[in-house]
Amino acid sequence: QLHLVESGGGVVQPGRSLRLSCAASESTFNTYPIHWFRQDPGKGLEWVAIISRDGSERYYGDSVKGRFTVSRDYSMNAVYLEMHSLRPEDTAVYFCARGAVAADDYWGQGTLVTVSS
Amino acid sequence: DIVMTQSPESLAVSLGERAAINCRSSQTVLSRSNKKNYLAWYQQKPGQPPKLLIYWASARESGVPDRFSGSGSGTDFTLTISSLQAEDVAVYYCQQYYTTARTFGQGTKVEIK
Repeated sequence: QLHLVESGGGVVQPGRSLRLSCAASESTFNTYPIHWFRQDPGKGLEWVAIISRDGSERYYGDSVKGRFTVSRDYSMNAVYLEMHSLRPEDTAVYFCARGAVAADDYWGQGTLVTVSS
Repeated sequence: DIVMTQSPESLAVSLGERAAINCRSSQTVLSRSNKKNYLAWYQQKPGQPPKLLIYWASARESGVPDRFSGSGSGTDFTLTISSLQAEDVAVYYCQQYYTTARTFGQGTKVEIK
């Protein structure tokens, strides 16, 4: 069974950058689009970004467009989210998830990003 | 973006009783080409990621108990728990995956009465 593990979260000051990683337990991960979602503590879920299977297409939510970049490394079975110009409202738990045809079926446990001075 | 609206916001049900959660989308999530509804239901417990329960509006994910069922088409959907168990206490979200930019309902908290 596929396992996804996010890492790279932490406390960062407004305006600074952070890179999140999503590492998979098996290489089948590389044959699927991968999403990033986030969730404010105690609140709802928001879609952040997606990278296509071959990495040629990347799309972002309006709230992060121009500040966040998603990429993938097939040799590492990993996807990354580079976050720049961070704002307090970016504070959330960030999840990666596999975008299967039928639904977003496998999710990692998440990594907490706190943007605070 | 497609706006997803769930009701109720919270629900208290006795053990063994039925729970129903509604979800409405601001536009159809039914594909004309394959006749599938791009609607999923997730269960989330504290400190855990969302867990996929239902996809294509009514298909149960492998390993999900058959007391969970999904119904509806187009813009109106329902998640039903036929006989609530203690382990079903959680927040439930509907999600549309008709568009690349997924959107979720605000969540329904299910508790034991």
